[in-house]
Amino acid sequence: NAGVTQTPKFRVLKTGQSMTLLCAQDMNHEYMYWYRQDPGMGLRLIHYSVGEGTTAKGEVPDGYNVSRLKKQNFLLGLESAAPSQTSVYFCASSDPPSAADEQYFGPGTRLTVT
Amino acid sequence: AQSVTQPDIHITVSEGASLELRCNYSYGATPYLFWYVQSPGQGLQLLLKYFSGDTLVQGIKGFEAEFKRSQSSFNLRKPSVHWSDAAEYFCAVGARTNAGKSTFGDGTTLTVKP
Repeated sequence: NAGVTQTPKFRVLKTGQSMTLLCAQDMNHEYMYWYRQDPGMGLRLIHYSVGEGTTAKGEVPDGYNVSRLKKQNFLLGLESAAPSQTSVYFCASSDPPSAADEQYFGPGTRLTVT
Repeated sequence: AQSVTQPDIHITVSEGASLELRCNYSYGATPYLFWYVQSPGQGLQLLLKYFSGDTLVQGIKGFEAEFKRSQSSFNLRKPSVHWSDAAEYFCAVGARTNAGKSTFGDGTTLTVKP
């Protein structure tokens, strides 16, 4: 199993450009999450999904949109990138009924917005 | 609301010395508690978790943690640190009733001196 994979690994955007980050998991997990990690601030939850076709806002959702059209994929979109969105983005998945909230993380996407 | 505090931003220990990383949490009921480790440029990996039962839990890589309800703490320990333990460590609190969402501390960076 590949676990949780993220595409791309690195990206540089100019202010105002858009992009989509892809997260895929092959563990048949119900729940998926998008976090951003900034120095000294730990991980902050952007959006999450508790199942195919459902999404919900997390702690810092502004400027981001998400979609979960397939159970194994969770997409994070930036419609108009801003320098404040320069960060490392992590996707995670979990399957609470069996694993009680343990989250499995992808390797991250480092995004720079200039 | 749940919250996690990791009082130490950065800790330096000598190789072979013992280690204790502190974690304090706030949660209204019995929490699910986790410690994750993040090596440079990598995603987070679960070290250990506590849900119920024995308050001393063993994890991977020789780590253990003790849940102390009276102190709202879940400190991570290792009796003898190896150079490969240098990484960032995150404590997290979760709840199955909260869509599996976890709240992460800001992290503690561990440096290991030779």
